[in-house]
Amino acid sequence: AQSVTQPDIHITVSEGASLELRCNYSYGATPYLFWYVQSPGQGLQLLLKYFSGDTLVQGIKGFEAEFKRSQSSFNLRKPSVHWSDAAEYFCAVGRGGADGLTFGKGTHLIIQP
Amino acid sequence: GAGVSQTPSNKVTEKGKYVELRCDPISGHTALYWYRQSLGQGPEFLIYFQGTGAADDSGLPNDRFFAVRPEGSVSTLKIQRTERGDSAVYLCASSPNRNQETQYFGPGTRLLVL
Repeated sequence: AQSVTQPDIHITVSEGASLELRCNYSYGATPYLFWYVQSPGQGLQLLLKYFSGDTLVQGIKGFEAEFKRSQSSFNLRKPSVHWSDAAEYFCAVGRGGADGLTFGKGTHLIIQP
Repeated sequence: GAGVSQTPSNKVTEKGKYVELRCDPISGHTALYWYRQSLGQGPEFLIYFQGTGAADDSGLPNDRFFAVRPEGSVSTLKIQRTERGDSAVYLCASSPNRNQETQYFGPGTRLLVL
């Protein structure tokens, strides 16, 4: 069975600083990988996804993520965070087809002024 | 266009009662998913529909949980004999077809069992 680990429960970053959120997955084949963001009172919004091809994927709101098969990682990055980026971030893995996703426990991002 | 909608947004019930949670997917989306998100956790997969049929119900925790999608559009998640441990946010998502497309999530129904 697949699993996702997000080792950081909380991360605090100053506004304008760079950001990296870690995600490690466990899956026997090539995974389908996703990052979602959840703001208070909002539904989950897809930031980006990786299915195949270029291992560096660009998403919305200036986010990017890099798939590293050798490290079983799919870390999310942003060069300069804005106060509006404060939210809960979830990494998820799918098996392909239309199966349900397996999510990590999330990382709560706090932005300091 | 309209996104995934879920009703009610909040539901408070007493232990032992029956509840129904409704999901309206994006028009034309054939795949529909239910997830449960407990406090401080990520969403946990419950069941997936392709059209009217449940293609994968392996995430349903026990036989008190049941879901239907009789016309291939709206879905209802039904919980019998609710327990306090069922308190969570129940999320619905839909995607266009059976391939690994993006799942679009609704705002969720927050269920509180007293």
